[in-house]
Amino acid sequence: GAGVSQSPRYKVAKRGQDVALRCDPISGHVSLFWYQQALGQGPEFLTYFQNEAQLDKSGLPSDRFFAERPEGSVSTLKIQRTQQEDSAVYLCASSRGRTKETQYFGPGTRLLVL
Amino acid sequence: EDQVTQSPEALRLQEGESSSLNCSYTVSGLRGLFWYRQDPGKGPEFLFTLYSAGEEKEKERLKATLTKKESFLHITAPKPEDSATYLCAVQFHYGGATNKLIFGTGTLLAVQP
Repeated sequence: GAGVSQSPRYKVAKRGQDVALRCDPISGHVSLFWYQQALGQGPEFLTYFQNEAQLDKSGLPSDRFFAERPEGSVSTLKIQRTQQEDSAVYLCASSRGRTKETQYFGPGTRLLVL
Repeated sequence: EDQVTQSPEALRLQEGESSSLNCSYTVSGLRGLFWYRQDPGKGPEFLFTLYSAGEEKEKERLKATLTKKESFLHITAPKPEDSATYLCAVQFHYGGATNKLIFGTGTLLAVQP
């Protein structure tokens, strides 16, 4: 079946612009995660949804980062007033259940802030 | 603080030369340990999940093992197509409503023909 999809795959933004990154999880998956991956590093957790509820947003680096999943399916990660340090790959993952389940990752969105 | 450390950072092997990658963790209650493979420009691809010490999983030339403080990914007779970054991630009992993964920085494996 279809895996996790993300769009756009690449995004170039000028510093100060707002961006929105989309994630379509595997159909029926309850849990959805966002991670940020800097070059040469492992992914770092940003936020977690169980259905439409955002249960953990402890990894969001600042109040410029906002995520939503209003209908418990598609999710959007929004970054306001982008800064150069926001340049990274943003990965979305989904899992079937609530605990101990394997997380399946999308291809990521590569964001470059100039 | 919970941490995940992978070694070596990079590994160059000749085709057919077996080796092992290490993932060590400090934890206050392990829920699961996950191995992923990541190719350049792509998202992590799931390989294995291990839940308890002594557990082993195998897939083709890869075998993952788990002890109370570390995991090994053994690569037997590797081929050039095994070249990738191998990521280890752990999930802990956080005491709250989260299932986040904590990743190591990965091991970049290059297998030369």
